[in-house]
Amino acid sequence: DTAVSQTPKYLVTQMGNDKSIKCEQNLGHDTMYWYKQDSKKFLKIMFSYNNKELIINETVPNRFSPKSPDKAHLNLHINSLELGDSAVYFCASSLVESPLHFGNGTRLTVT
Amino acid sequence: AQKITQTQPGMFVQEKEAVTLDCTYDTSDPSYGLFWYKQPSSGEMIFLIYQGSYDQQNATEGRYSLNFQKARKSANLVISASQLGDSAMYFCAMREDTGRRALTFGSGTRLQVQP
Repeated sequence: DTAVSQTPKYLVTQMGNDKSIKCEQNLGHDTMYWYKQDSKKFLKIMFSYNNKELIINETVPNRFSPKSPDKAHLNLHINSLELGDSAVYFCASSLVESPLHFGNGTRLTVT
Repeated sequence: AQKITQTQPGMFVQEKEAVTLDCTYDTSDPSYGLFWYKQPSSGEMIFLIYQGSYDQQNATEGRYSLNFQKARKSANLVISASQLGDSAMYFCAMREDTGRRALTFGSGTRLQVQP
């Protein structure tokens, strides 16, 4: 199936741990994104890559580090997890003028 | 400053009736796109409809139409003949064609369709 797929779907971990979320798209899109959706459902852009180049880096703690090995993949690594990092993280992809296609989200719970 | 404003946190509609979800936006970019997404309780983000700032006609996709009033900076979503499966969160979003090109989202409207 053509899609944006992210893994894992659920991630439960303790404070202080390091974790990664993986994202892959097979839509041939050249831009990928990470969004964070908080408990009030507000969606905020975190990072955006275009052809492996970082083009958006919002005010995000530097514990969050995106990595794009190629234009079909954009992973998110989070160091020293904090309670406030609990949220749903969405990966998305697009072409320049097209709508964003979202993955199904990763629900991160930090205890 | 808030770029996308959705003033209705929650809406109710009777099945088979039409409903309008409000969205206003703020931009100085002459070229931009407006989007609506649906997020059902299962959590995925589903693209519904797109309107470009230079499009002369209002966008329509099946039961969805976008009431675009450029001078008022509004891009309301109209859902006709509501169905129970339309119950979800609805997000309005904007992309400015110069600069960052990421979507900026509004705070969403939770729509509940009643039988």
